[in-house]
Amino acid sequence: EVQLVESGGGLVKPGGSLRLSCVGSGFSFGSYSMNWVRQAPGKGLEWVSVMSSRGGYIYYADSVKGRFTISRDNAKSSLYLQMNSLRAEDTAVYYCARNEVVRGVSHSDLWGRGTLVTVSS
Amino acid sequence: SYVLTQPPSVSVAPGQTARITCGGNNIGSKSVHWYQQKPGQAPLLVVYDNSDRPSGIPERFSGSNSANTATLTISRVEAGDEADYYCQVWDSSTVHEVFGIGTKVTVL
Repeated sequence: EVQLVESGGGLVKPGGSLRLSCVGSGFSFGSYSMNWVRQAPGKGLEWVSVMSSRGGYIYYADSVKGRFTISRDNAKSSLYLQMNSLRAEDTAVYYCARNEVVRGVSHSDLWGRGTLVTVSS
Repeated sequence: SYVLTQPPSVSVAPGQTARITCGGNNIGSKSVHWYQQKPGQAPLLVVYDNSDRPSGIPERFSGSNSANTATLTISRVEAGDEADYYCQVWDSSTVHEVFGIGTKVTVL
């Protein structure tokens, strides 16, 4: 089955750190760029970061730049998000998503179910 | 930064047509994607590159994009179409993905 499964979420205090993981299966993980997208409770979708298939490019949303680090291990079909200096406003469900490229434009055609990160004292 | 503007809500009777707009400066020059999200579920791609449908998405879902407005059209609306819908583009000037705020579609 083609799927993405996130893990690593939980409750963390402000200023703390957390590392999220996303494992892909049923497809050639190393052939796709991957996104992290988050959704605060009751709010809309917010893009967090993207990493190309082999790490040639990495981009971050301004809200997380300097605090979050995206990485991947294609041998393990895994994507990671290291989150440091966490704030209350980072509380959200974090989704990983696969990017398909058509005519030079990418869109997220496969999403995981998400993992909840709660930042609270 | 690039801003996408969506109406917060759209209401439609079953069997009628729902149109969800996504406004942006010269958005017609960009490729727009649309996602459906039902409560407690992950987003689902319903239209990509303005007007293409992924396999498994009903033909009732269609998209268009011109000038400053992209539109997702849902024909013959069904109760199961009730969800939040988000538009998305890639902003090459900031190298950011951008989502609209989302539109809640209510089937009356």
